[in-house]
Amino acid sequence: GDSVTQMEGPVTLSEEAFLTINCTYTATGYPSLFWYVQYPGEGLQLLLKATKADDKGSNKGFEATYRKETTSFHLEKGSVQVSDSAVYFCALLNTNAGKSTFGDGTTLTVKP
Amino acid sequence: GAGVSQSPRYKVAKRGQDVALRCDPISGHVSLFWYQQALGQGPEFLTYFQNEAQLDKSGLPSDRFFAERPEGSVSTLKIQRTQQEDSAVYLCASSLITENNSPLHFGNGTRLTVT
Repeated sequence: GDSVTQMEGPVTLSEEAFLTINCTYTATGYPSLFWYVQYPGEGLQLLLKATKADDKGSNKGFEATYRKETTSFHLEKGSVQVSDSAVYFCALLNTNAGKSTFGDGTTLTVKP
Repeated sequence: GAGVSQSPRYKVAKRGQDVALRCDPISGHVSLFWYQQALGQGPEFLTYFQNEAQLDKSGLPSDRFFAERPEGSVSTLKIQRTQQEDSAVYLCASSLITENNSPLHFGNGTRLTVT
């Protein structure tokens, strides 16, 4: 079945540091890939997405590129802010199955 | 409403009690999903609907779990004879349709604690 593996956290960075959160997946067919973010006290919300190989999703300074050859979708940001502190979830949508599969989440804490 | 609404926000049940969790999706969203999230883990798929049709219930952990969406809008997840292992956050999400560019819109979840 489909699966998503994220790098284990928690991750603690200083403000303006470079961020990478690794995500790899296993899926049949051609899934779409997503990063969702959950800020403290809030529900999960979409951060960015990519629907086919080599697509780059971007939002709020975050980027991720759909790499079919390495089955990866790593999240990056060049300069994190305290307000980026949250839990980040990598997910895939298998349209054949109609459902999304999530990783376990990575907690990011950014210190001033 | 502007987003997906879930109620109650918190629910404490004694072992053996039945509970009902409600989800009000974004108006016009065809697809509705239920996920279960244990502490420190990602959401695990339970079931999903397209309009009123339940297309996949493969993630429901036992026959104590039942979901419905009779008019293709509001959905209810019912858990009968709750057990301690049912304690988790139950997330509802909706999307326009299950195409590969339709992200999920989540509610804030219902935190169920079974004592």
